[in-house]
Amino acid sequence: DAGVTQSPTHLIKTRGQQVTLRCSPKSGHDTVSWYQQALGQGPQFIFQYYEEEERQRGNFPDRFSGHQFPNYSSELNVNALLLGDSALYLCASSLLQGYQETQYFGPGTRLLVL
Amino acid sequence: DQQVKQNSPSLSVQEGRISILNCDYTNSMFDYFLWYKKYPAEGPTFLISISSIKDKNEDGRFTVFLNKSAKHLSLHIVPSQPGDSAVYFCAASDRDTGNQFYFGTGTSLTVIP
Repeated sequence: DAGVTQSPTHLIKTRGQQVTLRCSPKSGHDTVSWYQQALGQGPQFIFQYYEEEERQRGNFPDRFSGHQFPNYSSELNVNALLLGDSALYLCASSLLQGYQETQYFGPGTRLLVL
Repeated sequence: DQQVKQNSPSLSVQEGRISILNCDYTNSMFDYFLWYKKYPAEGPTFLISISSIKDKNEDGRFTVFLNKSAKHLSLHIVPSQPGDSAVYFCAASDRDTGNQFYFGTGTSLTVIP
């Protein structure tokens, strides 16, 4: 049973560029959430996708956008990269059950913006 | 505004003893709480959860206690093993934003053999 997978594992970009990160959810899961984890901090919620639509969004600017495909996989896009976007980006999948759902995380993509 | 706080950045415990990790929260609407463990270069791994209708939940060596009046939860690991050495995060969600988890900043646990 494959868990949550993310690609790439590492990425280096320069300021102003755009980046796309990818996530495949755990088998049987239909919901994907994205988090940003800065060094020394806990994960911060970016947004969540269900049925190919954004269900909920955290306090992140519009430069952060996403997409969910019919097979439940998801992409996170960040435009106009800033140095402060350097972080570990985590994808979590779950099975939508209203609330009190447990989210399972992938290994993350480490993004460095120079 | 940090709604979930882990005030101890690190904790060292001897193998075989009890590890107690603490977490405080400010939002009284939180009604679901989880603990995750994270090794370097890996994503957080789910450990145990508790709903606000309970005050205790056990799973093997791991027990989570919830004190709603104090807005405090703790994770007990008994007995502690060297493989438990990792960063532990507590997370919380509420009915209104049930799909958005709020995480603490983590506690790094070192179990000394």
